[in-house]
Amino acid sequence: NAGVMQNPRHLVRRRGQEARLRCSPMKGHSHVYWYRQLPEEGLKFMVYLQKENIIDESGMPKERFSAEFPKEGPSILRIQQVVRGDSAAYFCASSPPPGGTGELFFGEGSRLTVL
Amino acid sequence: GQSLEQPSEVTAVEGAIVQINCTYQTSGFYGLSWYQQHDGGAPTFLSYNALDGLEETGRFSSFLSRSDSYGYLLLQELQMKDSASYFCAVGGGATNKLIFGTGTLLAVQP
Repeated sequence: NAGVMQNPRHLVRRRGQEARLRCSPMKGHSHVYWYRQLPEEGLKFMVYLQKENIIDESGMPKERFSAEFPKEGPSILRIQQVVRGDSAAYFCASSPPPGGTGELFFGEGSRLTVL
Repeated sequence: GQSLEQPSEVTAVEGAIVQINCTYQTSGFYGLSWYQQHDGGAPTFLSYNALDGLEETGRFSSFLSRSDSYGYLLLQELQMKDSASYFCAVGGGATNKLIFGTGTLLAVQP
């Protein structure tokens, strides 16, 4: 059973460009979570999605950031007009329903560098 | 809101026992999880405590006191490979959403 797959693993963008990060959850998992991690810091919750629904986006910046988890295909975290402060590792995690286990399965992360 | 506190760094020697503490404040509590992260790689799940008491899994144990809003991760018979960052996290529940602490960097020395 393949784990959580994230791509690209590394992404370099210039200020003002767009970044698209993709996440395929583990088979059978319908819950997807995105976290951001700055160097030497913890994991900051961004958004929680189920298929075709955003359940909790309380950690998402109000502007430039969006996320989706379509019926078919991977979850996408999209960052428009990137700035240097967006440089970070973005981790995706998944879990199966119904939850309540405290266990998330993380991907290896996508490392965004904004020049 | 939610906040978690844990020490930023801990150093120990091979074969020793180390305890990493975590205190939390949260408006709704389901459980306390612990995760390990090596060199910025994928965080991996270690344990989850929803009820008070000690849970043991091999060399690692985790403790929770809900009345004290406190928990700890206990690592025994430390090995060099245990050098990593350890994060406590609150959450779980039906959504399994987790809020993480800032992490404790454990350095195991020979």
